Amino acid sequence: GESVGLHLPTLSVQEGDNSIINCAYSNSASDYFIWYKQESGKGPQFIIDIRSNMDKRQGQRVTVLLNKTVKHLSLQIAATQPGDSAVYFCAEGYTGRRALTFGSGTRLQVQP
Amino acid sequence: DTEVTQTPKHLVMGMTNKKSLKCEQHMGHRAMYWYKQKAKKPPELMFVYSYEKLSINESVPSRFSPECPNSSLLNLHLHALQPEDSALYLCASSQEVSNTEAFFGQGTRLTVV
Repeated sequence: GESVGLHLPTLSVQEGDNSIINCAYSNSASDYFIWYKQESGKGPQFIIDIRSNMDKRQGQRVTVLLNKTVKHLSLQIAATQPGDSAVYFCAEGYTGRRALTFGSGTRLQVQP
Repeated sequence: DTEVTQTPKHLVMGMTNKKSLKCEQHMGHRAMYWYKQKAKKPPELMFVYSYEKLSINESVPSRFSPECPNSSLLNLHLHALQPEDSALYLCASSQEVSNTEAFFGQGTRLTVV
């Protein structure tokens, strides 16, 4: 069946370092991908998205890379800050699927 | 206004109670969603409404009953829940179904006792 995700690891980085969070997906029909950030006790918050006709997209301090050949998505956070500490989820969608499917998430811990 | 508002924030209910969760958005979005999230797990889709019509029911037990009174409101009626239904219930909306960013509310933390 379809699956998006990764085991729930914890990524621990030092403040100021760059962070890279990875996500694998298995549905080759997926054509839309989003990264969400979820802080404790809150709902998921949109970070950045990318469509399958692109392989890279940049936002403020964040970059998403899409490798369709190996069905891999990554989120790069530059100059990681303590406020970036949260669980990060990738999610995917495709035409005909009327909702996003979430991966299993990665916890990012930023050490001051 | 880019908010999805959910009420209540916390809810404790007994297994014989009937309660409702409410969700509201004023972004003109035509798709609204209910997700269930257990601790340390990703959100799992329950229901999708598109243009106020139920579009997807992910085989959710009938003790959960969604309702979309108008394009801005989404309710989730709860009846005869089980303790394993305790979770964070998230409402989301998007401009259209699929392939668009979904905005999430803060969730209702539900505890069934």
